[in-house]
Amino acid sequence: DAGVIQSPRHEVTEMGQEVTLRCKPISGHDYLFWYRQTMMRGLELLIYFNNNVPIDDSGMPEDRFSAKMPNASFSTLKIQPSEPRDSAVYFCASSLTAGGYNEQFFGPGTRLTVL
Amino acid sequence: AQSVSQHNHHVILSEAASLELGCNYSYGGTVNLFWYVQYPGQHLQLLLKYFSGDPLVKGIKGFEAEFIKSKFSFNLRKPSVQWSDTAEYFCASPGADKLIFGTGTRLQVFP
Repeated sequence: DAGVIQSPRHEVTEMGQEVTLRCKPISGHDYLFWYRQTMMRGLELLIYFNNNVPIDDSGMPEDRFSAKMPNASFSTLKIQPSEPRDSAVYFCASSLTAGGYNEQFFGPGTRLTVL
Repeated sequence: AQSVSQHNHHVILSEAASLELGCNYSYGGTVNLFWYVQYPGQHLQLLLKYFSGDPLVKGIKGFEAEFIKSKFSFNLRKPSVQWSDTAEYFCASPGADKLIFGTGTRLQVFP
């Protein structure tokens, strides 16, 4: 398996623009997680899905952020409109079953810079 | 609520020095514990995990961790670090369906 795939790897955009980050989890994994990592705030869980259904989005910072998982092999994280404080590395991770009891496999991340 | 505490935020060592990174977890029933490593510019990857059985767990690259139930601890150790161990290390434990990560410890190893 190719592991968790994320695209793009780098994204530079201007404030106010819409940004869409993409993730393909490992085939057969039921759980998908979106994280954000910054120097100031460390690693933060934004939202996670079980069998394509959002379970907990309490980490989503504000209404500008939204996430979807239309099928088992694809998820998106959208920021609209983007702001400079959204600059961070966004990681997607997946796990086979209950996310806390199995290893999570992380993707390579998307480094987002909002100017 | 389940929580994970990492006491050391930044550790600086010379090559061949011994390493011990602290991790404490709050009790939450079944104890499953993880250490993840993040090399500079890369993603998190599993270093080792404890689910049950022998409390001394061996992981990749010569790392090991010891689960001490009475102290609610799961400290990471390596007898002799290398420059290539420079990375950030995260301890994690389950919280419902998700993993609760500690704040991470940044390790710098100088030749």
